[in-house]
Amino acid sequence: GAGVSQTPSNKVTEKGKYVELRCDPISGHTALYWYRQSLGQGPEFLIYFQGTGAADDSGLPNDRFFAVRPEGSVSTLKIQRTERGDSAVYLCASSSRPGLADLGGPDTQYFGPGTRLTVL
Amino acid sequence: AQTVTQSQPEMSVQEAETVTLSCTYDTSESDYYLFWYKQPPSRQMILVIRQEAYKQQNATENRFSVNFQKAAKSFSLKISDSQLGDAAMYFCAYRSARTSGTYKYIFGTGTRLKVLA
Repeated sequence: GAGVSQTPSNKVTEKGKYVELRCDPISGHTALYWYRQSLGQGPEFLIYFQGTGAADDSGLPNDRFFAVRPEGSVSTLKIQRTERGDSAVYLCASSSRPGLADLGGPDTQYFGPGTRLTVL
Repeated sequence: AQTVTQSQPEMSVQEAETVTLSCTYDTSESDYYLFWYKQPPSRQMILVIRQEAYKQQNATENRFSVNFQKAAKSFSLKISDSQLGDAAMYFCAYRSARTSGTYKYIFGTGTRLKVLA
């Protein structure tokens, strides 16, 4: 696609419910990142995929959060037993050349418009 | 651990004037990348400019330029000839240049830029 897309744009749920947030990266991008942006804050890293595997999940706050990327393209962030503190904008980004540190310069992460999650 | 600090929660600039947004960072690494992203109300983060730490020359992209002071760990963004469309949240971000491991960005808390007509 032309850019990173995320669905839904907005999600309202009740405390204790399960939610899934979807990210469709730029076609051909092998790396995919999830970030969480709370009100008035900068995005905070959650998890990074290289291909189908999670190369770094150190940012996931607890075991209620899980993400998958089964075919190395679309990714789904899953949150179980949602809490009011989970309310935030969830951003997805993709890049084509993760880790490349030569004269070509760093990979650029391209962001989607985010999903605003509200837990009542 | 690396940190990024943006000490200006909000800045205002008159249209056509110049404004500078501040960013400082802390790291023990010698090689890394720095970025400025713009986030309009649509929420989509848009890359404004990037800088490789090994390059002494400051990056420039049209009306946007940076003042990169590696020893001081400072990375400010200068916007010249400000336009109404520049109004947005601006985030400074850091990324390690290591060729293995994670490539996550570390973001500051942002600066809201208002452009006055």
